[in-house]
Amino acid sequence: AQSVTQLDSHVSVSEGTPVLLRCNYSSSYSPSLFWYVQHPNKGLQLLLKYTSAATLVKGINGFEAEFKKSETSFHLTKPSAHMSDAAEYFCVVTYTGTASKLTFGTGTRLQVTL
Amino acid sequence: GAVVSQHPSRVICKSGTSVKIECRSLDFQATTMFWYRQFPKQSLMLMATSNEGSKATYEQGVEKDKFLINHASLTLSTLTVTSAHPEDSSFYICSARETGETQYFGPGTRLTVL
Repeated sequence: AQSVTQLDSHVSVSEGTPVLLRCNYSSSYSPSLFWYVQHPNKGLQLLLKYTSAATLVKGINGFEAEFKKSETSFHLTKPSAHMSDAAEYFCVVTYTGTASKLTFGTGTRLQVTL
Repeated sequence: GAVVSQHPSRVICKSGTSVKIECRSLDFQATTMFWYRQFPKQSLMLMATSNEGSKATYEQGVEKDKFLINHASLTLSTLTVTSAHPEDSSFYICSARETGETQYFGPGTRLTVL
């Protein structure tokens, strides 16, 4: 079965410092990987996606993620955190042949302090 | 582009009544729509997948007679919670997919059953 693991349930950074949110997925021939962000009481917004093209994916709001097949990882990074980045982040995977069913990680809450 | 709306955003109802939630894709035709449920501080749980003009496919453990899903057009899917009880209180989120793997999420509906 497909699975995705977000290694940190909570991450706290100071404003202006780098952000790293970690994600590992179960190995498969052709995964598609996504990062979504959810602000309180809101739906999910797509930050970026990897679908077998370039391994370094750039998303919105300065976020990017690198697909590393050898490590089965898809970590999300941002060079400089902003207060507005405080939210819940979900790493999500789907595989070819699963009728587009998404498997969600458990989420990482990002806190940004002054 | 790729905007999904949900209505209502928040609903409070009495136990035993039915509640209908609408999900619309505003600027694209959604071949598939998905309904999720999210408990506080938890990840999303897929309830069902619906394709336009056909019966929804429910995930294991989801009562199809309790959660009625209709996908009458390529831009509209509805979820009706029948005979709602307090344990049905939750945050319900829909998503829509045109082609490819990417799902676009609605803003969610907060259901409170008294």
